Amino acid sequence: AQSVTQLDSQVPVFEEAPVELRCNYSSSVSVYLFWYVQYPNQGLQLLLKYLSGSTLVKGINGFEAEFNKSQTSFHLRKPSVHISDTAEYFCAVMGSGGSNYKLTFGKGTLLTVNP
Amino acid sequence: EAGVAQSPRYKIIEKRQSVAFWCNPISGHATLYWYQQILGQGPKLLIQFQNNGVVDDSQLPKDRFSAERLKGVDSTLKIQPAKLEDSAVYLCASSTKYEQYFGPGTRLTVT
Repeated sequence: AQSVTQLDSQVPVFEEAPVELRCNYSSSVSVYLFWYVQYPNQGLQLLLKYLSGSTLVKGINGFEAEFNKSQTSFHLRKPSVHISDTAEYFCAVMGSGGSNYKLTFGKGTLLTVNP
Repeated sequence: EAGVAQSPRYKIIEKRQSVAFWCNPISGHATLYWYQQILGQGPKLLIQFQNNGVVDDSQLPKDRFSAERLKGVDSTLKIQPAKLEDSAVYLCASSTKYEQYFGPGTRLTVT
């Protein structure tokens, strides 16, 4: 079984500032990792995913994340945020060995970008 | 490409009533998921279908929740009878393999 811990429930930042949203996971098997974004009253949209290869993954809207196996982390970063990045961000993990493609989500981090 | 469709978007019912949600996945996606998202929490998987067979329903409260996927396409999730703690957003997602695509969700309020 897998679990995800998002270390910050809320992150307020000013526009054009950099941001890092932290995610740690626990698993007894190798994993795939995902970040999803949820805007108010909408479903989840995939930002980026790590399946294999380079540990630095680039996604949509200028976001990137780095997979660190030794620290079991997958932190999300953006060098300069916009007001439109205000949303809830969810980190998720999937065991890579099986075939049921089941996601386990963290509790989410609310990113609020202030002018 | 059309996304995952869900209806209704909002539903308000009284406790002990029944309710049903509908989901139409992306065409060609064999796997369909129902999640429950309680306010302030991440989505929790309720049930996963592969075509019209159940892959995982370990977290589905089977005494009150039921789900079916007819002909491996559309799916319905039913709650009967509803409890106050069922108030949540119910998300449907579909996938071909690793990447899940989510619908807009149905916000259920039980009073």
